[in-house]
Amino acid sequence: DTEVTQTPKHLVMGMTNKKSLKCEQHMGHRAMYWYKQKAKKPPELMFVYSYEKLSINESVPSRFSPECPNSSLLNLHLHALQPEDSALYLCASSQEGGRVKNIQYFGAGTRLSVL
Amino acid sequence: AQKITQTQPGMFVQEKEAVTLDCTYDTSDQSYGLFWYKQPSSGEMIFLIYQGSYDEQNATEGRYSLNFQKARKSANLVISASQLGDSAMYFCALRNQAGTALIFGKGTTLSVSS
Repeated sequence: DTEVTQTPKHLVMGMTNKKSLKCEQHMGHRAMYWYKQKAKKPPELMFVYSYEKLSINESVPSRFSPECPNSSLLNLHLHALQPEDSALYLCASSQEGGRVKNIQYFGAGTRLSVL
Repeated sequence: AQKITQTQPGMFVQEKEAVTLDCTYDTSDQSYGLFWYKQPSSGEMIFLIYQGSYDEQNATEGRYSLNFQKARKSANLVISASQLGDSAMYFCALRNQAGTALIFGKGTTLSVSS
C-alpha cells in the first residue's frame, strides 16, 4: 500500500481565515514533505520533515506553518493567506536516509482557493 | 547546479501507439536517481518508474520503460500501447545522493485520442 491521504480535497478561505491541511500515511515513512503547485507548473518544495523534525524550510512565508504531530501525520496551518497562495498543495512521504532511490509517494492534494 | 529539461510542452498520440517523452538532466554527481511521475487532471502525482545512475539495465514497469543514456544525460520515458487513461501531465525528476528534494522538469502534457 503506497497511499498518502490528504484532507480536505478542496478548500476555499478568506484572507482572514485560519485553516489547516492534513496529510496521513501508514507506510512507516519517516520523511514527509509539503509541496505547492501552480497550474501547469511543476511542484515546488516548501517543507521537509525528517523523524518528526523540520529539516528543510524553503524560505516559505510565516503565514504557512507546518506541524508533524507524529510519524504518520503532517499538518499545514494556514493564516492570513493572500490570493496568490491559491494552488494545489501536495503532501508526500518517503523512507528516510540518503539513498537516491527513496521514492516519494504523493497524495491527491488539496486545491486551495483564497478569496 | 542540477537541472531537468523537458522540451516537449505537449505530445499527441493515438490509442495503441507508443510514445516517447524526452528528459535530459544536468548534474555533476556520480550517484543520482531519475524518476518519472504522472499527474492526471485530478491532481495526484503517481510514481511510474525509477532509474539509478549505476543501474546497468534500463528500468521497465509494465507498459513503461526508461531509455537511459548516461553519456547523453537523457532519461526518456517510453509508453507502449497508449491508452486513453494515459492522458496526463508527465514530470521527470532528479535526486542526487546528498539531496532530499526532487528537482522537477516543467512537464509534458500527453493527450491520447481514440
